[in-house]
Amino acid sequence: GAVVSQHPSWVICKSGTSVKIECRSLDFQATTMFWYRQFPKQSLMLMATSNEGSKATYEQGVEKDKFLINHASLTLSTLTVTSAHPEDSSFYICSARDPPADTQYFGPGTRLTVL
Amino acid sequence: QKEVEQDPGPLSVPEGAIVSLNCTYSNSAFQYFMWYRQYSRKGPELLMYTYSSGNKEDGRFTAQVDKSSKYISLFIRDSQPSDSATYLCAMSVPGGYNKLIFGAGTRLAVHP
Repeated sequence: GAVVSQHPSWVICKSGTSVKIECRSLDFQATTMFWYRQFPKQSLMLMATSNEGSKATYEQGVEKDKFLINHASLTLSTLTVTSAHPEDSSFYICSARDPPADTQYFGPGTRLTVL
Repeated sequence: QKEVEQDPGPLSVPEGAIVSLNCTYSNSAFQYFMWYRQYSRKGPELLMYTYSSGNKEDGRFTAQVDKSSKYISLFIRDSQPSDSATYLCAMSVPGGYNKLIFGAGTRLAVHP
C-alpha cells in the first residue's frame, strides 16, 4: 500500500509555543490530505481537509487560526498548532487520498504534549 | 443516531478463533467501505477496501458488504495474538473529497 510519513513522531513543548507537524506522501501524489485528532480510546476526529494549492476546509468547531494548515505541494501538508495549550495535547494523524483507489492512507501519527 | 455504528467492545477471543466485526450505517449514499487496523499509539492501517456490495477476501481477512441491510462485516480467520488491535470501519460517498466517516472502533484482544 501507499506510504505516508509524519514528522515528528512525538513532540513536547511549552505552553504558548507553536508546533509544526509535517505529513508526506512518499510514493504517490496526494491532491487531498486530511488531518485528524484522536483522544485516548476514541475514534478519529476529522479536523480539516487540505487541498494542494488552496485553502484548507475546516470542520465545524475547529479553530482555523489555531490550527494552520498548508498544502504547498502534492506530497507535503503541514499542520501548525499555534500558541499551544495543554488542552491541545493529543495524537494528531494525517492521511492522504490515493485517487485511483479513492481511499485514504494514514501516517503513523504525532503525539503532542503541551506542558 | 450516528451515521456509522460500531460496537466498541472490547472483544476477547482465544487464538485460532474466527472473529466477526460489524458496523451498521444509515446513509444509503455510502459506496466505499473500508476496514482499518490501528495498533496502540500508531496510525490506522488500511486492511480491506470494498466498493458497493459483495465480498472480498485477502488471506485470513474477509470483508462483506450488504447494502440492502446497511451492514458491513470483517471476518478474521485463525486469529493470532498479533491481530490484537482496534479495528475501525470507515465509509464514504463517491465524489467530493472522499471524506471518511468512521465507526467508533472495536478493540480486539486475541489471547494465546
